[in-house]
Amino acid sequence: EAGVTQFPSHSVIEKGQTVTLRCDPISGHDNLYWYRRVMGKEIKFLLHFVKESKQDESGMPNNRFLAERTGGTYSTLKVQPAELEDSGVYFCASSQEARVGYGYTFGSGTRLTVV
Amino acid sequence: GQNIDQPTEMTATEGAIVQINCTYQTSGFNGLFWYQQHAGEAPTFLSYNVLDGLEEKGRFSSFLSRSKGYSYLLLKELQMKDSASYLCAVRDRDSGYSTLTFGKGTMLLVSP
Repeated sequence: EAGVTQFPSHSVIEKGQTVTLRCDPISGHDNLYWYRRVMGKEIKFLLHFVKESKQDESGMPNNRFLAERTGGTYSTLKVQPAELEDSGVYFCASSQEARVGYGYTFGSGTRLTVV
Repeated sequence: GQNIDQPTEMTATEGAIVQINCTYQTSGFNGLFWYQQHAGEAPTFLSYNVLDGLEEKGRFSSFLSRSKGYSYLLLKELQMKDSASYLCAVRDRDSGYSTLTFGKGTMLLVSP
């Protein structure tokens, strides 16, 4: 089966610009997660979708971040306007069940650099 | 909140055994995960422990002691391809049972 796909793999944008990251989960996975790793820090949770609904968005840093999952398939994460501290690697993950005992499947991430 | 500690870096020799430790402080513990991540790639699932004891899976084993808030990942017969970052993550009540809290990862370098 195809894994979790993220696009783009790299993005370099200027401060104040807008960037949209996309995640295609494994087909049939209702649960989709966004995580972020800022340089030198640990991977941190951003939000969790169950189908098209936001189950938990407690990790979203501020209102410059907007995540959507229309139709319960792929998801987008928009950063508008981007700030320097938004630089990092954004990971998407998916799973069939929320209380999964065998972990998620992660994508390779999008490396975002804000200059 | 949660606090997860693991060593930043470790080195080992091909063919040897290495143990990567992870300590955590959390409430409502509901499972500990180990992931492997090669540079520029996706973290990949290695193991899951929710009860005390040792889980063995080929060359990799993971141990958990809930009373001590301690886990380790044991890698045997090290190969060059095992050079990677190893991430310890916990799931608990405070963070929502479906989300994970990660440590910063341990970078393992395997030399010939």
